[in-house]
Amino acid sequence: AQKVTQAQTEISVVEKEDVTLDCVYETRDTTYYLFWYKQPPSGELVFLIRRNSFDEQNEISGRYSWNFQKSTSSFNFTITASQVVDSAVYFCALTPGSNYQLIWGAGTKLIIKP
Amino acid sequence: KAGVTQTPRYLIKTRGQQVTLSCSPISGHRSVSWYQQTPGQGLQFLFEYFSETQRNKGNFPGRFSGRQFSNSRSEMNVSTLELGDSALYLCASSPWGSYNSPLHFGNGTRLTVT
Repeated sequence: AQKVTQAQTEISVVEKEDVTLDCVYETRDTTYYLFWYKQPPSGELVFLIRRNSFDEQNEISGRYSWNFQKSTSSFNFTITASQVVDSAVYFCALTPGSNYQLIWGAGTKLIIKP
Repeated sequence: KAGVTQTPRYLIKTRGQQVTLSCSPISGHRSVSWYQQTPGQGLQFLFEYFSETQRNKGNFPGRFSGRQFSNSRSEMNVSTLELGDSALYLCASSPWGSYNSPLHFGNGTRLTVT
């Protein structure tokens, strides 16, 4: 089965706290891509990061960091020193090499309280 | 560069009617993909067009169809509307395709079927 699981439906933290959003994926393919997108209240999905299955390097971009571990089929996303503007729904997605269809997780709603 | 433009933003239709949604991609992008977003099913892939050809199709009934024009603009059509078709329909464009490219999304068309 090809699947993306975001077990956290909603997370609420106070501003400046660090928060990690979990993403676990399933695929039989050896070649695939993983993505994170952000959907603010305005509704427009915004691309955050792409990672291919052969690149397990972690990535840091400002306050955002991603941890990709093939051994646990996880691609977790951490926001350091969260801000109110980070409030949004965050989606993890997978494109398996066998069918090229983007498979989405259910999303995690992140609420950052001032 | 102008972003992805979807029209109309909102639509209210009656069960049994048909509807056409439009998407203008970012200039130079040849791939347009469509997604349905509902509270119950989340984000689901509908289809992808590249250079006027449907390259990939999700698991939706034949009532859902689309096309792409020579200028890369795309339309999506839903015939014989059902109440369950009420959703936010998102269009995304990319230079080469949704497999490994970051997607640029429009604001979506919110369809309500009564």
